[in-house]
Amino acid sequence: EAGVVQSPRYKIIEKKQPVAFWCNPISGHNTLYWYRQNLGQGPELLIRYENEEAVDDSQLPKDRFSAERLKGVDSTLKIQPAELGDSAVYLCASSLGGVRDSPLHFGNGTRLTVT
Amino acid sequence: QKEVEQNSGPLSVPEGAIASLNCTYSDRVSQSFFWYRQYSGKSPELIMSIYSNGDKEDGRFTAQLNKASQYVSLLIRDSQPSDSATYLCAVIRVNTGFQKLVFGTGTRLLVSP
Repeated sequence: EAGVVQSPRYKIIEKKQPVAFWCNPISGHNTLYWYRQNLGQGPELLIRYENEEAVDDSQLPKDRFSAERLKGVDSTLKIQPAELGDSAVYLCASSLGGVRDSPLHFGNGTRLTVT
Repeated sequence: QKEVEQNSGPLSVPEGAIASLNCTYSDRVSQSFFWYRQYSGKSPELIMSIYSNGDKEDGRFTAQLNKASQYVSLLIRDSQPSDSATYLCAVIRVNTGFQKLVFGTGTRLLVSP
């Protein structure tokens, strides 16, 4: 079984530039998550999708962040414009069902550096 | 008060010893608890889940839950250098009808040969 695939693995951009991250979840997993992990911290949920629907985006900074999950499979997370404080690892995860009963499978993450 | 609190460590133990990792949570109604392991530069992976008070054992790992004290722990018996990693405690919080998995900051474990 192929795992969660994320790209790119690393991205360095200047502040005020746009950036996008892509995620392909495990086949058949209906639930997709985007987390942000700052250095020395645990992952923080940005947005959760059930199929195509964003069911929890309360922690997504909507003034600069956007996400989409077309056709309920792949997902893209975008930041425009990026700020220095956005430097972090962006993790995508997927699960077969609800968060209680289905373990989250994380991708390798995208390490973003904003200069 | 943070929702999920862990000592950041590092916790240093010699090979073969028992490593004890602790976690407290603030939301009394939380029902589901998880331990994830994260190697440096890698993504988290689930190693244990626990839902009821008491102990749950899986190989060298034992999770312990005390809901009255709002306390979760992970014991690693016969610690190996390969167990050196950051261990993240995670708790499901119900917020406006949605279940959200909230992570602690993690405890870094170092097992010396």
